[in-house]
Amino acid sequence: GAVVSQHPSRVICKSGTSVKIECRSLDFQATTMFWYRQFPKKSLMLMATSNEGSKATYEQGVEKDKFLINHASLTLSTLTVTSAHPEDSSFYICSARQGMSGNTIYFGEGSWLTVV
Amino acid sequence: QKEVEQNSGPLSVPEGAIASLNCTYSDRVSQSFFWYRQYSGKSPELIMSIYSNGDKEDGRFTAQLNKASQYVSLLIRDSQPSDSATYLCAVNIPQKLVFGKGTKLTVNP
Repeated sequence: GAVVSQHPSRVICKSGTSVKIECRSLDFQATTMFWYRQFPKKSLMLMATSNEGSKATYEQGVEKDKFLINHASLTLSTLTVTSAHPEDSSFYICSARQGMSGNTIYFGEGSWLTVV
Repeated sequence: QKEVEQNSGPLSVPEGAIASLNCTYSDRVSQSFFWYRQYSGKSPELIMSIYSNGDKEDGRFTAQLNKASQYVSLLIRDSQPSDSATYLCAVNIPQKLVFGKGTKLTVNP
C-alpha cells in the first residue's frame, strides 16, 4: 500500500519553544492531508484538514495560531506547534488522501511530542 | 448524537473465537467506511474498507455494512492473541475522515 512518512517519530522540547513535524507521502500525490492528535488511551481527534496550496481548515476548538499547518506541495505537509506547553504533549498523527477522489487514507507512523 | 459511535469495550474473547465489533454513524450521506487497527503507541493501520451494503471478506476479517440502519461491523474469525488491539471505525464524511472512539479487543490464549 501507499506509504506516508512522518518525522520526527519522537521529540522532546522545552516549554515555550516551537516544534515542527513533517508528513510526507512517499509514492503518491496527496492533495489532502489530515492532522490528528491522540492522548493516551483516547481516540484520534481531527485537528485540521490541509489542502495543497490553500489554508488549512481547523476543527472547532483547535487554535490555528498555535498549530500552524502548511501544505506547500503535493507530498509534504507540516505541523508546527508554537510556544509549546506541557499540555501539548501528545501523539500527533498525519494521514494523507490519495489523489483528488481517492477514498483510501493512509496514516503516517505518528510523532510523540513531549514538552518539558 | 456523535458522528461515529462504537462500544468502547473492552471486548474479551478466547483464542479461536469470533470477535464482533460494531459501529453506528449519523451522517446518511456517508459512502465510505473503514476499519483500522491500532496497537498501543502505534499509528492506525487499515484493515478493511467497505462501500456497498452487504458483506466484504478478506481472510479472517469480514466487514458488514447496512446503510439503511447506518451500521457497520467487523467480524474477526479464528481470533488470535496478535489481534489484541484497539479497533477504530472510521466514516468518510465529506472532506474528512471521522473516527469512533475505538473498541479495545483482547484475545486470550
